[in-house]
Amino acid sequence: DVKVTQSSRYLVKRTGEKVFLECVQDMDHENMFWYRQDPGLGLRLIYFSYDVKMKEKGDIPEGYSVSREKKERFSLILESASTNQTSMYLCASSFSTSGANKAVSSYEQYFGPGTRLTVT
Amino acid sequence: TQLLEQSPQFLSIQEGENLTVYCNSSSVFSSLQWYRQEPGEGPVLLVTVVTGGEVKKLKRLTFQFGDARKDSSLHITAAQPGDTGLYLCAGDRGSTLGRLYFGRGTQLTVWP
Repeated sequence: DVKVTQSSRYLVKRTGEKVFLECVQDMDHENMFWYRQDPGLGLRLIYFSYDVKMKEKGDIPEGYSVSREKKERFSLILESASTNQTSMYLCASSFSTSGANKAVSSYEQYFGPGTRLTVT
Repeated sequence: TQLLEQSPQFLSIQEGENLTVYCNSSSVFSSLQWYRQEPGEGPVLLVTVVTGGEVKKLKRLTFQFGDARKDSSLHITAAQPGDTGLYLCAGDRGSTLGRLYFGRGTQLTVWP
């Protein structure tokens, strides 16, 4: 079974703090994603990575950065947390969709349980 | 601007009723996926549809991909309380980076 784990289920931080959210997957997936989920807004893509040290901006990257030093681990960093970053953060991973691995199933994303972050 | 529009946003029905959730776009997708998310968990894939006009069945759930590959529907027959959850559609546009575009979701509640 694919397993995607996130470092915390619940987190409470103060405005201005630097926040690290960690995600680890055990399926040797090339692609990893960070989303935030807010009521009525669905899943919004923050950043994603298709290889170690490679990253791409999603739809709402402002106020966030990411790090992928190892294939299995993808970190989301809030440099200076603000109250409008209070949200549910979901990490996901998937196989590469390029080259020999390209298949419909490559697009299936496996999600972690989420981290509910509250910034006060 | 949302690439995939889902409707309705909320659905509250009695056990045994039928329902349909819609996922529409003006864009063409290479494939479309449906996920279900339960409280406190991440979304889990239910099905992927690839070919225009394709219909897939998963027990009481029927998924259809539009002929033009711009829309999809999820129909549930004789809904049960266990079907309660957030249903999300997601489409891929052939990106080599595996990116999906998600709809905003339909929150389904089935009452006993």
